[in-house]
Amino acid sequence: GAGVSQSPSNKVTEKGKDVELRCDPISGHTALYWYRQSLGQGLEFLIYFQGNSAPDKSGLPSDRFSAERTGGSVSTLTIQRTQQEDSAVYLCASSPGLAVSSYEQYFGPGTRLTVT
Amino acid sequence: GDSVTQMEGPVTLSEEAFLTINCTYTATGYPSLFWYVQYPGEGLQLLLKATKADDKGSNKGFEATYRKETTSFHLEKGSVQVSDSAVYFCALKTSYDKVIFGPGTSLSVIP
Repeated sequence: GAGVSQSPSNKVTEKGKDVELRCDPISGHTALYWYRQSLGQGLEFLIYFQGNSAPDKSGLPSDRFSAERTGGSVSTLTIQRTQQEDSAVYLCASSPGLAVSSYEQYFGPGTRLTVT
Repeated sequence: GDSVTQMEGPVTLSEEAFLTINCTYTATGYPSLFWYVQYPGEGLQLLLKATKADDKGSNKGFEATYRKETTSFHLEKGSVQVSDSAVYFCALKTSYDKVIFGPGTSLSVIP
């Protein structure tokens, strides 16, 4: 079946511009996560959606970052007024959720963002 | 808060050597524990998991045992291959579905 997809795969933008990154989770998965992976670094948690609950935004690094999830499916991560330190690979993952901790995450291929 | 700590890399081993990558965690409740692997140029994928104390996860010759008494989930493999070269991430998932990753350990296996 189809896995998690992300678009675009690569994005180059100028400092100060806004960008939108898209994630299509696996159909039926209620949990959706965004992470950031900087070069040579681990995964930095950004935000987590679970069903219709309020998202856990505790990982968003600044108010320039926001995310929404429409209809419990597709999610968009928006970065306003991009800075060079925002350059990273942004990963999306989904999980069946249902508050069952044994379910693993399925990761998308990521969007590589470069801010010049 | 919940956290995962794993040994710093990079780790370089010769083929057929024994591998241990240490992982310890701090969490409330009863998390599930995972090892994910990221091969060069590829996305993250699940390697193995354990959902309760004393469970052993295994896959592709890798093993890890969920040790609640030491809050550890160390990854081991008896004989590594060049194809095992990758970055390995330890992670925990809480009962309310939040997932925390360790910083990753880069492994290079040389012939």
